[in-house]
Amino acid sequence: EVQVLESGGGLVQPGGSLRLSCAASGFPFSSYGMSWVRQAPGKGLEWVSGINGRGNATYYADSVKGRFTISRDNSKNTVYLQMNSLRADDTAVYYCAKQLYRSAIPYGLDVWGQGATVIVSS
Amino acid sequence: DIQLTQSPSLLSASVGDRITITCRASQGISNYLAWYQQKAGKAPSLLIFAASTLQSGVPSRFSGSGSGTEFTLTISSLQPEDFATYFCQHLKSYPWTFGQGTKVEIK
Repeated sequence: EVQVLESGGGLVQPGGSLRLSCAASGFPFSSYGMSWVRQAPGKGLEWVSGINGRGNATYYADSVKGRFTISRDNSKNTVYLQMNSLRADDTAVYYCAKQLYRSAIPYGLDVWGQGATVIVSS
Repeated sequence: DIQLTQSPSLLSASVGDRITITCRASQGISNYLAWYQQKAGKAPSLLIFAASTLQSGVPSRFSGSGSGTEFTLTISSLQPEDFATYFCQHLKSYPWTFGQGTKVEIK
């Protein structure tokens, strides 16, 4: 079964750091780009960051650029999101998602995890 | 950055109704558009990609159309399990962005 499973969420103080992990299974992990998407309480979806299959290309939303770092370890079938300088408005459920490709072009996010909750509060 | 605007934000409808949700892009995105359904407390699920291609396992009452800057998601006959929130997303260039969402509620 194709699946991704997030972990590492929790409560952190403003200015603190947290690292989310996303373990993937059921597909050739290194062949697929991965994304992180978040959803603040009662709000819509916000794409946060993406990484290609080899891990040598990374992309970020303006709201997290310079504070968050996405990476992957293809030997462990895991993608990470290192979050530094956290702010109250980073409070959200963070989803990990696998990218869907057609002719090597990403066209959507077809496998989602259940989400990891991050709360930034003093 | 490319912005997506969905309309309406809230849609009240009855079982059996045909409904249409619109997503407009701030600049041309060809067909690099996906639609997602999200039910309360759950992760989103992919319905349509490449503007009009139905994801495997998605019922045929869902359809998508459009290209360039204007796109639509249509549900031909609304079923009880379709009451949810729907989001569009572009994948034309980074950063990818989502529309603000359309909540479909029971009339």
